[in-house]
Amino acid sequence: KAGVTQTPRYLIKTRGQQVTLSCSPISGHRSVSWYQQTPGQGLQFLFEYFSETQRNKGNFPGRFSGRQFSNSRSEMNVSTLELGDSALYLCASSLISGGGSYNEQFFGPGTRLTVL
Amino acid sequence: GENVEQHPSTLSVQEGDSAVIKCTYSDSASNYFPWYKQELGKRPQLIIDIRSNVGEKKDQRIAVTLNKTAKHFSLHITETQPEDSAVYFCAASRDNDMRFGAGTRLTVKP
Repeated sequence: KAGVTQTPRYLIKTRGQQVTLSCSPISGHRSVSWYQQTPGQGLQFLFEYFSETQRNKGNFPGRFSGRQFSNSRSEMNVSTLELGDSALYLCASSLISGGGSYNEQFFGPGTRLTVL
Repeated sequence: GENVEQHPSTLSVQEGDSAVIKCTYSDSASNYFPWYKQELGKRPQLIIDIRSNVGEKKDQRIAVTLNKTAKHFSLHITETQPEDSAVYFCAASRDNDMRFGAGTRLTVKP
């Protein structure tokens, strides 16, 4: 099976712009989670989508949003970019979600966003 | 929400020695505890995980222990090798709401 893919891999934006990142999960995986990784803050949970619904959300401002499509592909959007949004954005997919089930997450390669 | 603390932030050991990384979590409802290894420039990869109904799990040189009462879990790597050098992340999850520790940079000196 193909692994989790993310596009684009690199992105440079300026403050105030908005950006959309894409994540394609492993075939058959219905849960997609997004994380922000920075050297100082480690891996921070953004949100998780399952069956096109946001199930869980981390402590990020409303400028960070996402969605999931019927084929389980997911996008995240960041509006009004700030310098502090520069980070590696990772998505991860898992086979099933919830109910105390086995929730191994498989990570994509990430999108490195630089905000100038 | 869940809060995961991880210690130490850096760890340096001699090849062949053991390495131990410890994590604590706050949400007693968390039921899945994976450990990820991230090499420089690469994505995190799962190395071992444990569920809340198990106290210990071992896979070759790697073992994880879980103490639900105390809400802490640990990663043990024995007979460390230079290729074990990486950043290790612990995580605690409930219903796919997964929160990570800040990471431990492990260096294994030959």
